[in-house]
Amino acid sequence: DQQVKQNSPSLSVQEGRISILNCDYTNSMFDYFLWYKKYPAEGPTFLISISSIKDKNEDGRFTVFLNKSAKHLSLHIVPSQPGDSAVYFCAASEAGANNLFFGTGTRLTVIP
Amino acid sequence: DTGVSQDPRHKITKRGQNVTFRCDPISEHNRLYWYRQTLGQGPEFLTYFQNEAQLEKSRLLSDRFSAERPKGSFSTLEIQRTEQGDSAMYLCASSLEAQETQYFGPGTRLLVL
Repeated sequence: DQQVKQNSPSLSVQEGRISILNCDYTNSMFDYFLWYKKYPAEGPTFLISISSIKDKNEDGRFTVFLNKSAKHLSLHIVPSQPGDSAVYFCAASEAGANNLFFGTGTRLTVIP
Repeated sequence: DTGVSQDPRHKITKRGQNVTFRCDPISEHNRLYWYRQTLGQGPEFLTYFQNEAQLEKSRLLSDRFSAERPKGSFSTLEIQRTEQGDSAMYLCASSLEAQETQYFGPGTRLLVL
């Protein structure tokens, strides 16, 4: 039972444009959400997170939006750069829990 | 480099052999996690330590798997009598107790022939 879903396996974007990666979840007990970036043969690298008490968090070119009523979050990358090409994973955790639930990832390709 | 480190990075073994992986967390982190990632999937939680105590185990962690963190610093994950279905990337992560963000190591890729 996949509690975190990333329905788009891949996304291609032109350099300089906006990349929007989407994530849906089913567990209403999730209260903390994270995005990780993963290059081949490496572990996931933490990018940005958001608590359920917020609806937006921004860090440089990366912004995460949370819509609790829709159980949906998105990661915006502006402007997209070729070095952003990687697999992006959405993850979530419940309050007081110790494990993260991950989506299946979206492969982003930024075309120069 | 003060990040999470894992050793070895790659391991090829024959079915039925035992393997052991090591994880060194970020030095001040008292929480340590093991995850497994198979092709086309996100990481899946296996187990979690707070200091030397193993506080949670996933049902994915069969009795052939054992993890230890004897001194609350590095951790080992052993798989006994490996099966082809154990082939995966084994990821270690660490965090501070009051922090929800987990930081991952580079992983150990296991191939069971």
